[in-house]
Amino acid sequence: SQQGEEDPQALSIQEGENATMNCSYKTSINNLQWYRQNSGRGLVHLILIRSNEREKHSGRLRVTLDTSKKSSSLLITASRAADTASYFCATVALSGNQFYFGTGTSLTVIP
Amino acid sequence: EAQVTQNPRYLITVTGKKLTVTCSQNMNHEYMSWYRQDPGLGLRQIYYSMNVEVTDKGDVPEGYKVSRKEKRNFPLILESPSPNQTSLYFCASSLYPPTAYGYTFGSGTRLTVV
Repeated sequence: SQQGEEDPQALSIQEGENATMNCSYKTSINNLQWYRQNSGRGLVHLILIRSNEREKHSGRLRVTLDTSKKSSSLLITASRAADTASYFCATVALSGNQFYFGTGTSLTVIP
Repeated sequence: EAQVTQNPRYLITVTGKKLTVTCSQNMNHEYMSWYRQDPGLGLRQIYYSMNVEVTDKGDVPEGYKVSRKEKRNFPLILESPSPNQTSLYFCASSLYPPTAYGYTFGSGTRLTVV
């Protein structure tokens, strides 16, 4: 399966700390995307990193991609209580149009 | 406001009673897709559509139908719902190809089949 797997499944940190989530996948990809989902709501697109990019920033978010290890990480710096959500990576294989989502990392930021 | 609108937000129905979940987007996106989300299984794609009158099966299409007669609408039809279709459903859209753009998701439809 192409499905990405996030690690850890759950993460709890204090406000102000950094949060790091990882995503591993199995086959070659065109790009990898990260999404956030607040409880019971729709997913919100955060950032897209292409297979020829190694690192990308957006505000307090930093994403890295290592295609040799088939893995990506999402770093949220100076976390806030409002960052409490589930975070998913999504990959698209080179061969198809389908997205494959992982099962997510549940992040809790304690005020 | 650019958005994907799903209706209804919550639905409780009985086994075998046909239902339709509507999805509409106002961003002129070519690509639309339906997902279901279940605990421990993540999001699984049901059907997708690359443009009007072009649809294809995702990973879990059994028990579902879709149609794409207009670019903005992509309804999900359950002809004879069963309890194992109890789930949280999301419609999503994107410019084509979706590989190059992020999805915009609707707010979800929580379906319970009793």
